[in-house]
Amino acid sequence: DTAVSQTPKYLVTQMGNDKSIKCEQNLGHDTMYWYKQDSKKFLKIMFSYNNKELIINETVPNRFSPKSPDKAHLNLHINSLELGDSAVYFCASSLTGGGRNTEAFFGQGTRLTVV
Amino acid sequence: AQSVTQLGSHVSVSEGALVLLRCNYSSSVPPYLFWYVQYPNQGLQLLLKYTSAATLVKGINGFEAEFKKSETSFHLTKPSAHMSDAAEYFCAVSGSGANNLFFGTGTRLTVIP
Repeated sequence: DTAVSQTPKYLVTQMGNDKSIKCEQNLGHDTMYWYKQDSKKFLKIMFSYNNKELIINETVPNRFSPKSPDKAHLNLHINSLELGDSAVYFCASSLTGGGRNTEAFFGQGTRLTVV
Repeated sequence: AQSVTQLGSHVSVSEGALVLLRCNYSSSVPPYLFWYVQYPNQGLQLLLKYTSAATLVKGINGFEAEFKKSETSFHLTKPSAHMSDAAEYFCAVSGSGANNLFFGTGTRLTVIP
C-alpha cells in the first residue's frame, strides 16, 4: 500500500493552461502539504493544510490553490501555467501534535514541465 | 520561526570512509529535527528524527545524528560509506506540534569507489 500517492507522476503542458495534481494519503494523518522542488533541489513549502487551518506561503502566486475534499486528499490546482512553474511538486502528510510521530511522509513527486 | 542551514552543497567521500553532513538549526521553540534522503527521481524518505528524547539518534542504513543544543547542530554521520549512500540529503526542522516542516538546501553525497 502506498502511504502518500500523487498523480500524475509526469505532466507536460503548455503555457497558459490550467492543471491539477492529485494527492491522497492513507495514513490517517490530519495535515497535508505541498512542496515545490526546483532544479537546484531546493524544497520550498507552498501550503500546509489541516481541517482547521490553511497556511499559505506568502510567496506563492495566487494562481496556485489547494483544494481538499476531505482529510485524506489535498489537490493542487494551478491556473495560467508559466514556464517558471516547471518543477517537481511533492505532496506530504503528517500528524499534527503527533509528538514523536510527527514526521512527514512524502509522495513520489510530480514532475511538471511547462512548454 | 524555524530554519536550517546545511553546510556544503556537495560532499564527496571514498567508499568505506566516514560520512559527515552538517546541519545547524534555528528555532524559537524546542525543535523537532529530521534528516531525509532523496534518491534520484524519487520522493523523500525519512532517515531519522529527533523529537526531544535521546540526543543521539540512530536511523536507517547505519546513519545516526546527534542533537547538540549548545551548538544548535544536528549533524548526520555514518562510519563507513557505501556506494548506495549516494543521494541528496536534507535536514529539516519543525516546532513541536507545528504544521510546518522547513528544509535546508540539501547536500549531495557522492561516494567514490
